[in-house]
Amino acid sequence: EDQVTQSPEALRLQEGESSSLNCSYTVSGLRGLFWYRQDPGKGPEFLFTLYSAGEEKEKERLKATLTKKESFLHITAPKPEDSATYLCAVNTGTASKLTFGTGTRLQVTL
Amino acid sequence: DAMVIQNPRYQVTQFGKPVTLSCSQTLNHNVMYWYQQKSSQAPKLLFHYYDKDFNNEADTPDNFQSRRPNTSFCFLDIRSPGLGDAAMYLCATSREPQQPQHFGDGTRLSIL
Repeated sequence: EDQVTQSPEALRLQEGESSSLNCSYTVSGLRGLFWYRQDPGKGPEFLFTLYSAGEEKEKERLKATLTKKESFLHITAPKPEDSATYLCAVNTGTASKLTFGTGTRLQVTL
Repeated sequence: DAMVIQNPRYQVTQFGKPVTLSCSQTLNHNVMYWYQQKSSQAPKLLFHYYDKDFNNEADTPDNFQSRRPNTSFCFLDIRSPGLGDAAMYLCATSREPQQPQHFGDGTRLSIL
């Protein structure tokens, strides 16, 4: 059974304090790893797709990387507006199914 | 501009009273999905349509049904809601399977 584990569950940073969120996965045949941001009471917002080990994607203060066993979401000099839950999901096999992790709840304070 | 629109945003129903949630999309995507998300949990896929082909997850209760009358609309029917069905229900779309999914803002369902 495909499994996705995210750590830490919660992270509190001061503005400007860079850090990384981890997503480790155990799957049979990765077809894509997705990062989403979810604000309270909203649906997940798509951030990145990574397909193969060594791939990297960047968007503003966020950078996602992928190895054969895990992905990292690096946040550089975060701002309070980066506060949200960050979800990682994997797509495997021939199905359209995304298996999500339970997310990392990030809070950035002034 | 909202691309995946869910109505209503909040729905309250009584125990055992059927309820329908709706989702529409302006992206003309082939695939539409319904997820259930409970507090502090990961979204859980209930079923999806690839065009008109319906795909049910093995562990989705029979109480949950879905309809997709055309490309733009998809409905989630809960025939006899129980207290355990209180959750956020998320609709998502993708152009093709395995491509990024785009989510609506969800319908929060409460059961009295």
